[in-house]
Amino acid sequence: DAKTTQPNSMESNEEEPVHLPCNHSTISGTDYIHWYRQLPSQGPEYVIHGLTSNVNNRMASLAIAEDRKSSTLILHRATLRDAAVYYCILGSSGTYKYIFGTGTRLKVLA
Amino acid sequence: NAGVTQTPKFRVLKTGQSMTLLCAQDMNHEYMYWYRQDPGMGLRLIHYSVGEGTTAKGEVPDGYNVSRLKKQNFLLGLESAAPSQTSVYFCASSYSASGVGADTQYFGPGTRLTVL
Repeated sequence: DAKTTQPNSMESNEEEPVHLPCNHSTISGTDYIHWYRQLPSQGPEYVIHGLTSNVNNRMASLAIAEDRKSSTLILHRATLRDAAVYYCILGSSGTYKYIFGTGTRLKVLA
Repeated sequence: NAGVTQTPKFRVLKTGQSMTLLCAQDMNHEYMYWYRQDPGMGLRLIHYSVGEGTTAKGEVPDGYNVSRLKKQNFLLGLESAAPSQTSVYFCASSYSASGVGADTQYFGPGTRLTVL
């Protein structure tokens, strides 16, 4: 199974952009890159996903490296409500299994 | 839409007792999943189902059984609970319109289970 590597924790000031990195050097050509986040005492929620091109939605942007071995989740203006654990996950064709690592715990400072 | 709901929210069991966790989704999703999350850890897949009447083992299936008799429900059973099964259990569902790998999973709020 392809694995991802993320920093254990990061801090950001409120209303500043946050760049959350993820390394996935063993990614295969058909693996999708997903980001989920888990707020305290809640289930994970979908943030964004992509295959090769950069993606934007109302929550965040996903920047994917040209060789696809890394990606970055961008929160354009962090708010206190964005404090959560962010998981970078690879979705592999032919398997229903998502491998959740320990994620990055984002702390947002007021 | 309620999305994915889980029953109960909390439960305390004694070692050796049995119980069933219920997951229900109202999004007409084909795929459903049961995960467990231990303190400070990511989620680990216990069992999953790709359709009514079908189930398959995930990463940590031992000590658990599942059933998917109706499309909207996915049950997780513990026949003889052990302290090692103390965890938070999450159910999820997905609809693979874009194909497996691109699927978005929708998670329930979780069930906190303590086994004494």
